[in-house]
Amino acid sequence: DTGVSQDPRHKITKRGQNVTFRCDPISEHNRLYWYRQTLGQGPEFLTYFQNEAQLEKSRLLSDRFSAERPKGSFSTLEIQRTEQGDSAMYLCASSWDTNTEAFFGQGTRLTVV
Amino acid sequence: GNSVTQMEGPVTLSEEAFLTINCTYTATGYPSLFWYVQYPGEGLQLLLKATKADDKGSNKGFEATYRKETTSFHLEKGSVQVSDSAVYFCARWPSSGNTPLVFGKGTRLSVIA
Repeated sequence: DTGVSQDPRHKITKRGQNVTFRCDPISEHNRLYWYRQTLGQGPEFLTYFQNEAQLEKSRLLSDRFSAERPKGSFSTLEIQRTEQGDSAMYLCASSWDTNTEAFFGQGTRLTVV
Repeated sequence: GNSVTQMEGPVTLSEEAFLTINCTYTATGYPSLFWYVQYPGEGLQLLLKATKADDKGSNKGFEATYRKETTSFHLEKGSVQVSDSAVYFCARWPSSGNTPLVFGKGTRLSVIA
C-alpha cells in the first residue's frame, strides 16, 4: 500500500477558473476527509465521506466547492470560479473508522493568481 | 465546544535540549488525542496517539500522556535533534458522533546545531 496519494501536488490557476483535485485513499479505509490548510494555521475540516456517502460538510465549503466519492474509492474536490482566497494547501486523509488514526496525503498546493 | 489549543511558536532550541509543546483540549467525554508532525513541503504524519485517560503515546523519542484531570496532552522529548525541526499539531477526535478530527494551530519547532 502506498498510502494516501493526491494529484496534482501543485496547481497554479487564474482567478475565475475551475480546478479539480483527486485523492486516492488507502484501499481498505472507508472514511475519506478533505481539509484546507493556510499558512501558519492548522488543517481546517471541509468535508468527509463514509464510503460513497458525503456525511458532513463544513460551513467553510461554499457553493463553489463540491466533492464526490463515486463508488466509495477515490474522491475529487472541485472548486468553481476560483478566488484568490482559495489559495491554500488542500489535504486529503483516510481512516478505517472514527476514533482511529487518519493518514494524510502530501496535499495539493493551490495558488490562484 | 470541541477544540484544541496549543502553545504558539515558533520554538527555537539548541540540539539536545528538552522539548515541551503544550496542548489542551475541550470536549465532552473521552476523545482520542493525537500529535501529528509536518516536515517542510510534506503532508501530516501521525507521530503518536492516546485513546484513553492516563495512556502514554510514544514514538521516535517523543512522548505525550493523556491527562483527563488537566485536559492536556503535552508533547515532550528529552533531547531534540536538528532533524526534529518541523511543525507539530495536536489533534483530537470527539468521543462520539460524526464530527471529524480537529487540529490545533500548530507549533513550529526549529532546532539549531
